[in-house]
Amino acid sequence: AQSVTQPDIHITVSEGASLELRCNYSYGATPYLFWYVQSPGQGLQLLLKYFSGDTLVQGIKGFEAEFKRSQSSFNLRKPSVHWSDAAEYFCAVGGRAGGTSYGKLTFGQGTILTVHP
Amino acid sequence: DSGVTQTPKHLITATGQRVTLRCSPRSGDLSVYWYQQSLDQGLQFLIQYYNGEERAKGNILERFSAQQFPDLHSELNLSSLELGDSALYFCASSAAGTSVYEQYFGPGTRLTVT
Repeated sequence: AQSVTQPDIHITVSEGASLELRCNYSYGATPYLFWYVQSPGQGLQLLLKYFSGDTLVQGIKGFEAEFKRSQSSFNLRKPSVHWSDAAEYFCAVGGRAGGTSYGKLTFGQGTILTVHP
Repeated sequence: DSGVTQTPKHLITATGQRVTLRCSPRSGDLSVYWYQQSLDQGLQFLIQYYNGEERAKGNILERFSAQQFPDLHSELNLSSLELGDSALYFCASSAAGTSVYEQYFGPGTRLTVT
């Protein structure tokens, strides 16, 4: 069964500081990996995705993530955080499991990011 | 704006009642997904439809059902509602092929069962 762990429930950073949000996944084959962001009262917005190829992927809003197969990780990074980045971030995994899992995304529990001025 | 629309935005109802949540996918997307987001369970996949056919199923309760119509909009029906069904229900849509996993979410319907 596929699963995602986001070890940090809540992270606080100062505006302008760098950010790294951790994500570890469990999946039996090559996974498809995603990061979504959810602002309060809003839906989920896709930040970036990894399907194959270059393990460092760039997303919107200046975010990037690196797929490390050996560590089963897909950590999200941003070099300089803005106050508007305060939100909840979700890592998700899906893949070619087929059958009743086709199309299913499994989400982590989320990491709430607070940004101090 | 993802292009996925959901109605209503908020819904308050009593235990034992039945409600219907509606979703219109992005233009051109054939797949529709339903997810439930609650404080204790997080984001849980409920069900997927592809071009009118059920394609994948998660931990969806028997009291819940969904369908996708010929115009590709989808409805999620929740019946015999319980307090624990209070949650945010999201619809998402995607294109075909590998992009089936690249899902775009609507703003959600917040259901409160009293």
